[in-house]
Amino acid sequence: DAGVIQSPRHEVTEMGQEVTLRCKPISGHNSLFWYRQTMMRGLELLIYFNNNVPIDDSGMPEDRFSAKMPNASFSTLKIQPSEPRDSAVYFCASRKGAGQETQYFGPGTRLLVL
Amino acid sequence: GESVGLHLPTLSVQEGDNSIINCAYSNSASDYFIWYKQESGKGPQFIIDIRSNMDKRQGQRVTVLLNKTVKHLSLQIAATQPGDSAVYFCAEQTGANNLFFGTGTRLTVIP
Repeated sequence: DAGVIQSPRHEVTEMGQEVTLRCKPISGHNSLFWYRQTMMRGLELLIYFNNNVPIDDSGMPEDRFSAKMPNASFSTLKIQPSEPRDSAVYFCASRKGAGQETQYFGPGTRLLVL
Repeated sequence: GESVGLHLPTLSVQEGDNSIINCAYSNSASDYFIWYKQESGKGPQFIIDIRSNMDKRQGQRVTVLLNKTVKHLSLQIAATQPGDSAVYFCAEQTGANNLFFGTGTRLTVIP
């Protein structure tokens, strides 16, 4: 049974470029989460979708960040323009329901902005 | 000034010994808790969860204890193995709200 799938696994880009991170949640899960992990701030929630609808985007740093979930099996996190301080590991997680159930994480995308 | 990263508590144990990892959570209204294990270069992996109507739950080689009075959670790993070396996170949730993660504890198992 496939877990959460993220691509790319690694991304190196230059400041000012657009970056798009992709996530495929576990089939049958209807909640999807984007997190960012850094040494400075640990694991932070960026945005949360339920049934493809953004529920809480209060963690999105600023307008340079946007996330979409066009269907139940795909989500993107876009950074435009990227900055060096965006360098981090970005995780996608999915959950079966909208309540107290386990979130399952993908392997992450390691982003380096030069 | 110089910026510093999060200070990660560390725990070193001998292979075969039991490990106890502690976590103080912040919200007295939190009613769902999860322990995750994160190995280097990987995403957090679910270990065990517990709801606030319980004070103990056991899994395979792991036990989670919940003390709501002092807002404390612990993870006990029996017969610790080298493969248990990782960073362990506790996470708390209130109702149907989002999970909030602690800073993590780094467990090192000495062969």
